[in-house]
Amino acid sequence: AQSVSQHNHHVILSEAASLELGCNYSYGGTVNLFWYVQYPGQHLQLLLKYFSGDPLVKGIKGFEAEFIKSKFSFNLRKPSVQWSDTAEYFCAVRDDYKLSFGAGTTVTVRA
Amino acid sequence: GAGVSQTPSNKVTEKGKYVELRCDPISGHTALYWYRQSLGQGPEFLIYFQGTGAADDSGLPNDRFFAVRPEGSVSTLKIQRTERGDSAVYLCASSFVREETQYFGPGTRLLVL
Repeated sequence: AQSVSQHNHHVILSEAASLELGCNYSYGGTVNLFWYVQYPGQHLQLLLKYFSGDPLVKGIKGFEAEFIKSKFSFNLRKPSVQWSDTAEYFCAVRDDYKLSFGAGTTVTVRA
Repeated sequence: GAGVSQTPSNKVTEKGKYVELRCDPISGHTALYWYRQSLGQGPEFLIYFQGTGAADDSGLPNDRFFAVRPEGSVSTLKIQRTERGDSAVYLCASSFVREETQYFGPGTRLLVL
């Protein structure tokens, strides 16, 4: 089964700073990759996904992620964060129908 | 449209009791999943339903856990003889078919005292 590692447990940054969250999965082949976000008091929401095609994927709220097959990575980026981006971010890989999640990264944006 | 709903939102029970957690998927979604999220961790797969049948229950921790989906829509996760280690957030997700994106409900936070 796939495993997913997220490199940062907690990231603290100021508004307008750039954000990059690392995500690596354990083995190759055809993979479907996801970033989910959980805002305080809300449920998991899909931020973006990669199934095939262009390895640079754009999602909601100005987020993007790049799939690098050779590095088994799917890092999340946002050029300029806002206070409202404070949330927990989860990377996930789908193996057939099962989603395997990383442990999550808590992002705190200071105004 | 309506998303995945789960009830109750919170459940406090005593060790040894029986609990039922309910999931109402998005209308028309044939695939339904249960995950469990412990503190400080990402969700972990428990069981997958395709229609009425459990296609994969390999993630259920032991035989105290059981889930049903009798009419191919609402699902109930049942936990017998609860233990303190069962305390977690239980998440339900659904998708049109298994290859499509999974949409999550708000979860049920279970606390076993």
